[in-house]
This record gives sequence, structure tokens and C-alpha cells, in this order.
Amino acid sequence: NAGVTQTPKFQVLKTGQSMTLQCAQDMNHEYMSWYRQDPGMGLRLIHYSVGAGITDQGEVPNGYNVSRSTTEDFPLRLLSAAPSQTSVYFCASSYRGQGASEAFFGQGTRLTVV
Amino acid sequence: AQSVTQPDIHITVSEGASLELRCNYSYGATPYLFWYVQSPGQGLQLLLKYFSGDTLVQGIKGFEAEFKRSQSSFNLRKPSVHWSDAAEYFCAVGDQSASYDKVIFGPGTSLSVIP
Repeated sequence: NAGVTQTPKFQVLKTGQSMTLQCAQDMNHEYMSWYRQDPGMGLRLIHYSVGAGITDQGEVPNGYNVSRSTTEDFPLRLLSAAPSQTSVYFCASSYRGQGASEAFFGQGTRLTVV
Repeated sequence: AQSVTQPDIHITVSEGASLELRCNYSYGATPYLFWYVQSPGQGLQLLLKYFSGDTLVQGIKGFEAEFKRSQSSFNLRKPSVHWSDAAEYFCAVGDQSASYDKVIFGPGTSLSVIP
């Protein structure tokens, strides 16, 4: 029972590089989200999706793109990495919006931008 | 604006002692409330949630939380802490005022357990 799978677990990027963080879930959840976790700030919502083909911005969307071509996958793209994007990134899925149902989280991707 | 505060950044308790982690929220309507736990190097896992009904909520791993509307609080408790409880704990409030039922997380409380 895999749940939510994120890859990679660790990544170091140079400023200006681009990359894609992968997220896949096998629970047939409609709702998926990306968060970043920074010390003392809890988790902040980057982008979310309420179903295949539907995405929207969260609290801190600048510098990130998402797409949702299937129910299972929700990749996060960093267009041109900046040191301010050094963070731990979590993908989450849920039956409905995460303010109204349990969210299932991946194990996270620790990203360092140098 | 909706918000969640966790006044204690870090707490240290002895194994076997009782634990209470504080959480206060600001929300205009009756809130949905959550406690999540994050073990080192892991994602978040739901401990318990309050949607309605009994204000004392039981969760996994022996945790419970009490919703007090008059105090806008949702404190997490455990009568006897185990070393494996050392982790980061996040209180969260569900915000259903927008088109997406989003959740707002508090800053977290880091728990250390002394053997």
C-alpha cells in the first residue's frame, strides 16, 4: 500500500537550473497539493488540484508550475531555481479538500539551491 | 484572517510524564481542527481531527484533544509520553470559506523526550 510517493528524496540545484519534483498517489484521491515547509512557518500551500486537468495557485505559487494530466500524478516544476526555494517540499492527497478531510503526505523532498 | 498559533516552539518532557501541547486558532465559523505529527525525515501523519459533536476527541497513539470554543483552543494531550513520541506536532484549522477546502497549519511544536 504505497500511498503518496515523492521522488527524489534529496536534490541539490544550482541557481537558475530547473527541475521537476514527482508525486504519485494510488488512493484515487481527487485532491492533491504541494506544500513547502520552512522552519518556524509550518506548511505553506504552493499549488493544488481538485481533479485531473484542474489546478490553482495556493499561498506561495511564484516560481513554481504544476499540471495534473492524470488523477494519480501531480508534478511540481521549478522553472529557474533560486536560493529562496531551498526548503522541504511535501505532496499531499485527500478525498476532498484538506481542510475537510484527512491529508496523506509523502515523505518529502529536501531541496537545496546553491 | 484565519490563523493558527502554537505558543510553544519546543517542549522537553521526561518519558512517562504527561504532555499538553497548546493550540489556538482564529476562525469565524465553527472550525474543522486537526493535529498532525511529523517524525524526523517523514511526512505528516494525522493524529486526530474534530469536525463536530463531542469536544473531546480521541486519536491514534494514545493522544486526545479537547475543543474549547470559548477559548478558541484545541490542545493536544497524552497522559504518559513514550520516547517514540519525540517529533514535530502541527495543529491545523480547515478553512472552508473559499472554493477549495484548504488547511492552515500552525508553526509546529518540537517535542523532545528525556529517557
